[in-house]
Amino acid sequence: SAVISQKPSRDICQRGTSLTIQCQVDSQVTMMFWYRQQPGQSLTLIATANQGSEATYESGFVIDKFPISRPNLTFSTLTVSNMSPEDSSIYLCSVVIGSRYNEQFFGPGTRLTVL
Amino acid sequence: AQSVAQPEDQVNVAEGNPLTVKCTYSVSGNPYLFWYVQYPNRGLQFLLKYITGDNLVKGSYGFEAEFNKSQTSFHLKKPSALVSDSALYFCAVRDLNSGNTPLVFGKGTRLSVIA
Repeated sequence: SAVISQKPSRDICQRGTSLTIQCQVDSQVTMMFWYRQQPGQSLTLIATANQGSEATYESGFVIDKFPISRPNLTFSTLTVSNMSPEDSSIYLCSVVIGSRYNEQFFGPGTRLTVL
Repeated sequence: AQSVAQPEDQVNVAEGNPLTVKCTYSVSGNPYLFWYVQYPNRGLQFLLKYITGDNLVKGSYGFEAEFNKSQTSFHLKKPSALVSDSALYFCAVRDLNSGNTPLVFGKGTRLSVIA
């Protein structure tokens, strides 16, 4: 298994500002992803964080709004830029260790409220 | 493209009765199926997975799921529900023929076990 930590665990932000969320894993991972869970909704994939190259974004998500970094095999950041109340969600880091046949592990999430 | 359907938003069951949470999937290749559980204000926890082999998969907390290829289903079951099983349950799928792709989640089913 993997121990995944996220910082901050929660934040309340003002409209128009940006927040960077950090994800740290205690072991090297094969794959790293960022999901969003809006209130009462399922998990929606934002992007796959690629080490040393640009992230791969899903439809509806763009790099200018959600820039992602992954400098090594155990760490990634997601920035939510120019926030609006619609960005209020839980943001989850998720990883796969080893074979793609393994389960995905999820971080505890970052609960973001935008006023 | 892969997708998951959870047809029930809410399932209510009396404590001690059997429970079923339904899930159907769609993939172009071979499916890799999961169930996750999310307790209030907590992260996503892995329950069980199916890759290949026996169609009946046993997981954590007494849960099991049955893979049915002809019906493209992977329903979650438990013989005797507990009040503590009340939570949000997510079915997820990965297409094994699609390389290192992340899980795609259903919309979730809220299980309420009544004492």
